[in-house]
Amino acid sequence: DSGVTQTPKHLITATGQRVTLRCSPRSGDLSVYWYQQSLDQGLQFLIQYYNGEERAKGNILERFSAQQFPDLHSELNLSSLELGDSALYFCASSPRTSGSDYNEQFFGPGTRLTVL
Amino acid sequence: GEDVEQSLFLSVREGDSSVINCTYTDSSSTYLYWYKQEPGAGLQLLTYIFSNMDMKQDQRLTVLLNKKDKHLSLRIADTQTGDSAIYFCAETKGGSYIPTFGRGTSLIVHP
Repeated sequence: DSGVTQTPKHLITATGQRVTLRCSPRSGDLSVYWYQQSLDQGLQFLIQYYNGEERAKGNILERFSAQQFPDLHSELNLSSLELGDSALYFCASSPRTSGSDYNEQFFGPGTRLTVL
Repeated sequence: GEDVEQSLFLSVREGDSSVINCTYTDSSSTYLYWYKQEPGAGLQLLTYIFSNMDMKQDQRLTVLLNKKDKHLSLRIADTQTGDSAIYFCAETKGGSYIPTFGRGTSLIVHP
């Protein structure tokens, strides 16, 4: 158990809909990262938040957005869903603050999103 | 090409050694990592190596780094069925602490 929780575990929805994925980081970790894992793209970094602020952005679509709340949990919002958005979405947290490139990440179990 | 490349599959017999290979393109990589993903679970850090090291050993795991060829390998000694999983190579580099992951190698261990 990594200490990172994600809900829901599975989500099935239709094209055009909007969903929210939730993540609670490990106790004490200020950084939260979102990743998308699909068969054709592998593991793609989407976005990072640190202590409530957006810190880094990866291959995140404009239809997707995220936020981190004062209690440090994070939500990833996916809107105008398309078939191609079907994937596993992982949240990770890390204790890394700054000053080093070393970045051990602790991953949650993921949310499997199916868009029909 | 991709920043971090791995072969997709490896099949070994129980008790044999497994060697999973990874190549990366950026010579400024500072840390290289091996993560393991078991079915239905998230990734879990197995081990890492700093770029000024050539080798790191941790129980059954041996990591070898060839900086000249930008090649990283993970050797698992006495492979067990419980080692069946997907293994991801990742790197962080100077100025960017966001890891870049390879696509993962599925290790299948058969009796």
